Amino acid sequence: GAVVSQHPSWVICKSGTSVKIECRSLDFQATTMFWYRQFPKQSLMLMATSNEGSKATYEQGVEKDKFLINHASLTLSTLTVTSAHPEDSSFYICSARDLTGTGGSYEQYFGPGTRLTVT
Amino acid sequence: RKEVEQDPGPFNVPEGATVAFNCTYSNSASQSFFWYRQDCRKEPKLLMSVYSSGNEDGRFTAQLNRASQYISLLIRDSKLSDSATYLCVVNGFSSNTGKLIFGQGTTLQVKP
Repeated sequence: GAVVSQHPSWVICKSGTSVKIECRSLDFQATTMFWYRQFPKQSLMLMATSNEGSKATYEQGVEKDKFLINHASLTLSTLTVTSAHPEDSSFYICSARDLTGTGGSYEQYFGPGTRLTVT
Repeated sequence: RKEVEQDPGPFNVPEGATVAFNCTYSNSASQSFFWYRQDCRKEPKLLMSVYSSGNEDGRFTAQLNRASQYISLLIRDSKLSDSATYLCVVNGFSSNTGKLIFGQGTTLQVKP
């Protein structure tokens, strides 16, 4: 099946610093990638939809200036958590939609996630 | 009301048992439905898509009732390795955006 990688797998940073997370589709092209956040014992919450070559679409309540998303190529999207605070500590997961997933097919492939801890 | 609702459980069952999970969704325009499995501190993995006619994959059977906006997952002959959280997932809109809405998940613990 399709493979999506994320880097780093975990990161610890100090409050006020910025952290960049990379999401790569390894064996397919993804015009659309999605960024999710999951707090302990809660479900995945979509943060934003990242479209290659255009601005990301953010979900209600997600600050676009705090969570910067760049999708410069068909295989790479990045999420930068700017001025991170302890409440940003969470499990960040990306997913990528196969370019061939059109006509009603919504299958997405998830990366292994990045566990962010802000101290 | 949550867009996708599931009983969080946990469901504690012995090996070999049959267990069923239910899920309801609020957006009648949803077109695609899935069950994902998530192990502790891991990413979700697609278990199966759910089709209107119902579909089966080995010990797993998924059913969809569009009129009631209800989805189910049946696991027969439970194995210890089935212990995980099962996520009910629907696409959020009728357009081809690919946006997925996740339920809270139902936790299953299969005991020896």
